[in-house]
Formats: sequence, C-alpha cells, structure tokens
Amino acid sequence: NAGVTQTPKFQVLKTGQSMTLQCAQDMNHNSMYWYRQDPGMGLRLIYYSASEGTTDKGEVPNGYNVSRLNKREFSLRLESAAPSQTSVYFCASSPRDRGKGGELFFGEGSRLTVL
Amino acid sequence: AQSVTQLGSHVSVSEGALVLLRCNYSSSVPPYLFWYVQYPNQGLQLLLKYTSAATLVKGINGFEAEFKKSETSFHLTKPSAHMSDAAEYFCAVSEYNFNKFYFGSGTKLNVKP
Repeated sequence: NAGVTQTPKFQVLKTGQSMTLQCAQDMNHNSMYWYRQDPGMGLRLIYYSASEGTTDKGEVPNGYNVSRLNKREFSLRLESAAPSQTSVYFCASSPRDRGKGGELFFGEGSRLTVL
Repeated sequence: AQSVTQLGSHVSVSEGALVLLRCNYSSSVPPYLFWYVQYPNQGLQLLLKYTSAATLVKGINGFEAEFKKSETSFHLTKPSAHMSDAAEYFCAVSEYNFNKFYFGSGTKLNVKP
C-alpha cells in the first residue's frame, strides 16, 4: 500500500520558472491538502480539496494554483516561482470521516529551492 | 480560525527521563486534536488523536496525551524517553468537519544519553 505519493522529491528552479508538484493517494480518501513547511513555522495550509471537484484556499495561497484531477490526484502549480517559495511541500489526504478517524496521511515531501 | 501554540521550540531530556511537550489550542467548540511526529527528511506520522472519546489518549511508542477542556490543552507525555524518540513533534487541531487542520510550530525533542 503506497499511501500518499509525491513527485518530484527534489527540485531546483530559477526565479520566474514554473513547475507542478504531483500528488496521488491510493486510500480512496475524499479530502486532499497541500502544506508548506518552513523552519519555526510549522505547517501552513496552501490549498485543500474537500472532495473531488472542489478546491479552496488555505492560509497561504498566493502564488499557487491547484487542480483536483480526480479523486486520487491533487496537483500544486507554481506559475512564476519566487525565492520566498523555497520550502518543503507536503501533500496529505484524509478520509474526512469521524468514524475512520479523520486524521491526515502525509507524503514524504518535496523539497523545492528557488534561486 | 483556530490556532495552536506549542511552548518550547526545543526540549532536551536525558534518556529515561519524563518527556512533556506542551500544546494549547484556541477553539470555540470542542475540536479534534492530534499529535504527529516527524523524523529527519521524512513526512509526518500520526502519534495519537483525540476525537471526543476518552480524554486520556494512548498512542504509539508509549506516548499519551490528555485533553483538558478547562485549560484548552493537549500535552504529550512519555514516562521514559528513548534515544529513538529524538524527532520533531507537531500538535494539530481540526475543524469539526475536518476541512482544515491547523498545526503548531513544532517542538524538537533532543534525547541525551
């Protein structure tokens, strides 16, 4: 059981370049999330998708776009990368069901550096 | 929006000593609460969760946490630290419908031999 899979694991970009982070989950979860992790700031929610076909902004959405391609896949796009977007990005999913616990399941992270 | 405060960005204990990591939340309604652990260069793993059942919650690796509504706290404890417990620990709170999860800034636990 792969769980949550993110690609790529590492990426270096130049300022102004674009890229897409891919995320897929095989647990049939309804909800998917993108977080960024920066030292001393914990995890901050960028965007989330409560169910297939819906997406909503989180705490720090500026400079990002997302697509919930289907129930399994949720991608994060940086249209014009900036050095402030240097971070570790985590994708997560949740069954969003109290009966199943509701907790987040995380991928291993994607480390992005913008020069 | 809800918020989570973790007191102490770094905690250092000796092997065999009590581990106490503090978490306070702000919420106008009873929340769902979680503790996650992150080992270097890895994703986050669930340690334990509180979802309005027993107020004392037991998790993996000997950790437990107690939900205290009057203190809006959910502190994480372990009676005897092990070297393998060295990691970063995050407290998180969820909205009732699990739409959003809010994380604290994390506490790095160092275990000294």
